[in-house]
Amino acid sequence: GEDVEQSLFLSVREGDSSVINCTYTDSSSTYLYWYKQEPGAGLQLLTYIFSNMDMKQDQRLTVLLNKKDKHLSLRIADTQTGDSAIYFCAESSNNNDMRFGAGTRLTVKP
Amino acid sequence: DADVTQTPRNRITKTGKRIMLECSQTKGHDRMYWYRQDPGLGLRLIYYSFDVKDINKGEISDGYSVSRQAQAKFSLSLESAIPNQTALYFCATSERTGKNEQYFGPGTRLTVT
Repeated sequence: GEDVEQSLFLSVREGDSSVINCTYTDSSSTYLYWYKQEPGAGLQLLTYIFSNMDMKQDQRLTVLLNKKDKHLSLRIADTQTGDSAIYFCAESSNNNDMRFGAGTRLTVKP
Repeated sequence: DADVTQTPRNRITKTGKRIMLECSQTKGHDRMYWYRQDPGLGLRLIYYSFDVKDINKGEISDGYSVSRQAQAKFSLSLESAIPNQTALYFCATSERTGKNEQYFGPGTRLTVT
């Protein structure tokens, strides 16, 4: 089946930038997403990018998409302790289902 | 998201027992999903439903069944629970068209002993 892969852990200092990377295999992906999961909670959509775009910026968040390499990244500028969470990359190749990565646990140290 | 609720939030049950997890939504969405989350594996799709009369198996449907009682309700059953079904279970909803943004419930932590 199609896969979505991301590293499991990332640790940064407060105020630094965080970059979370993701690779996927489905070349027909239409939308790519970043979800955030805080402890004891469900997933919340942070941002998404349509496959014909290569960058999207939303306040402190920047999403970069390299469709040729099937690589997606999420950059969080000026990372705060409240950004500590698990971040999931996901992709959807049609309107039917979504495939998730295993999640990257971001730890922000003061 | 309070618009998607799950009950119970936590459950401990014994091997062989039947258990039902319930999901309700007030978002008016047609589509509903059940996922399980395991450490290091992310979310895996168990079943999904595009409307009351449409039920589809996901990646890991063996050992599970579902019922879409109404547009707003989608329940997941484990007919005979086994320990490797210990996991965090999430319900989600989405609209029929568009970017397929999914709205998740808070999750049910299920432990099978």
